[in-house]
Amino acid sequence: LAKTTQPISMDSYEGQEVNITCSHNNIATNDYITWYQQFPSQGPRFIIQGYKTKVTNEVASLFIPADRKSSTLSLPRVSLSDTAVYYCLVGESSGSARQLTFGSGTQLTVLP
Amino acid sequence: GAVVSQHPSWVICKSGTSVKIECRSLDFQATTMFWYRQFPKQSLMLMATSNEGSKATYEQGVEKDKFLINHASLTLSTLTVTSAHPEDSSFYICSANAGVSGSAYNEQFFGPGTRLTVL
Repeated sequence: LAKTTQPISMDSYEGQEVNITCSHNNIATNDYITWYQQFPSQGPRFIIQGYKTKVTNEVASLFIPADRKSSTLSLPRVSLSDTAVYYCLVGESSGSARQLTFGSGTQLTVLP
Repeated sequence: GAVVSQHPSWVICKSGTSVKIECRSLDFQATTMFWYRQFPKQSLMLMATSNEGSKATYEQGVEKDKFLINHASLTLSTLTVTSAHPEDSSFYICSANAGVSGSAYNEQFFGPGTRLTVL
């Protein structure tokens, strides 16, 4: 499974855009990139998943360069409730169940 | 989206007793579920893969006789911590995959977790 590297922590202020970058130099051809959010004492929650270029949904955008060796999760106009740990995962997404390997994640703290 | 529930949400037990944690997929069937453990300020660590109708697959270093997994149906997997000790105190999280076979999209849904405290 591809290893990922993320910043341990980030601080931001309410209303700002936050970009969290994840490095995954050993990403394989069949690997997808998925981001999860976790609040204390809760299970992780799916945010977004992508394979290449850009993916956008109602809560975030995911930017993936052509070489796919990194990806950036973009959270527009964060609020205090976005304070959480964000995990970047890479792995094959074949439609069948697969185990996930979590890295250390990024603790995002949104300040008032 | 798909919902995964866990019961109980928290449990306190005495050292030496056994505790059972249930994981249910509420609106979809899951032939495979996963069990994770998370210590404070740490990331999730995969413990085992639970397969309906067959034996679970345990990760290296996880004692299969201590952490008993039973995947009784397509919507229920249970994790039993046998002879629990204080070092087993942790946050236990299950997940299930709700991807569509043959689809490139594959989303895994997590339960809310169970906080186990062993006194």
